[in-house]
Amino acid sequence: KQEVTQIPAALSVPEGENLVLNCSFTDSAIYNLQWFRQDPGKGLTSLLLIQSSQREQTSGRLNASLDKSSGRSTLYIAASQPGDSATYLCAVTNNAGNMLTFGGGTRLMVKP
Amino acid sequence: NAGVTQTPKFQVLKTGQSMTLQCAQDMNHEYMSWYRQDPGMGLRLIHYSVGAGITDQGEVPNGYNVSRSTTEDFPLRLLSAAPSQTSVYFCASSYSATTLNTEAFFGQGTRLTVV
Repeated sequence: KQEVTQIPAALSVPEGENLVLNCSFTDSAIYNLQWFRQDPGKGLTSLLLIQSSQREQTSGRLNASLDKSSGRSTLYIAASQPGDSATYLCAVTNNAGNMLTFGGGTRLMVKP
Repeated sequence: NAGVTQTPKFQVLKTGQSMTLQCAQDMNHEYMSWYRQDPGMGLRLIHYSVGAGITDQGEVPNGYNVSRSTTEDFPLRLLSAAPSQTSVYFCASSYSATTLNTEAFFGQGTRLTVV
């Protein structure tokens, strides 16, 4: 059974710092990996999707990498802002392509 | 484009009552799914559908029923509510039926309390 772990569970940084969020998964037979953002009391918003054949994806200040063989992904946030404060979740799609398994999330607070 | 719309946003049920959580999407997505989110347990898949008339079980299907009569709608039915079903429920959709090879769109969630 696929298990997805995110470390750290919570992170507090001052504004302007570059930071890295980590995601690991136990079964490397994945179809793709997505990073999501969740604001309190809200739904999830997809930030980046990396296909299993890709190594990284970039969107603005966000860069996600994928090392499928080692079961790891990182989300890099450059020049963090208070508006980045949210919970960040990673999720992997199984090889059949019909199911997402989520990590527990990293709760990020960026202080002004 | 409204995206994925869930109703209601909040609901309180008594043990044993039944209810239906509604989910609708206007993006012509083939794949739709239901998750529950619980503290310490993360998001877990309840049921999913790869197209109208086709549904399948996820990780935690017991106590829930689904049907998919149209592409747009994917309601989740609680047959006899139990306190263990107190949770936040999310509906999600994505374009492809054959794979999840596209980003997933989530609704705003339904916060359900069973007393």
